[in-house]
Amino acid sequence: NAGVTQTPKFRVLKTGQSMTLLCAQDMNHEYMYWYRQDPGMGLRLIHYSVGEGTTAKGEVPDGYNVSRLKKQNFLLGLESAAPSQTSVYFCASSRTGGEAFFGQGTRLTVV
Amino acid sequence: AQSVAQPEDQVNVAEGNPLTVKCTYSVSGNPYLFWYVQYPNRGLQFLLKYITGDNLVKGSYGFEAEFNKSQTSFHLKKPSALVSDSALYFCAVRKDSSYKLIFGSGTRLLVRP
Repeated sequence: NAGVTQTPKFRVLKTGQSMTLLCAQDMNHEYMYWYRQDPGMGLRLIHYSVGEGTTAKGEVPDGYNVSRLKKQNFLLGLESAAPSQTSVYFCASSRTGGEAFFGQGTRLTVV
Repeated sequence: AQSVAQPEDQVNVAEGNPLTVKCTYSVSGNPYLFWYVQYPNRGLQFLLKYITGDNLVKGSYGFEAEFNKSQTSFHLKKPSALVSDSALYFCAVRKDSSYKLIFGSGTRLLVRP
């Protein structure tokens, strides 16, 4: 049982480049989340989804877009990367009201 | 709006002593409360949760947490700390059974031998 899988695990981008982070879960969870983790800031919610075809903004959505075309996948896109988006990104999924299961993270550096 | 506060950036405790990591929350309606642990270069691992019922919740690795509605707190505790408990601990809250999951800023626990 793979749980929550994030790809890639590491990435270096130049300012202005775009990329997509992929999150896949095999637990048939309704909810999926994207967080960023920065030193001293904890985890901040970027976007989340409460079901296939739905997305919603979290605490820090600017500069990011998401899509949930399939229930098991939640994509996070950066259209024009900025150094301020250097962070560790975590995807998570949960059933309604349940605990969240996290992926191993993606370390993104924007130079 | 939901929010979670972890007032201590770091907690230091000697091995064998009891430990407490503090968490207070703000949410309208019934809170669903969670504790997670993060080891270096790893994702978050679930420790325990409170949804309803007994105010004292027991979780993984000997940890427990006490829900206090009047003080809007959900402190994490362990009777006897281990060096291997040293990690980053996060408290999180969700409003009722839906809605978004919000995390605190984290507390680093350092257990010295």
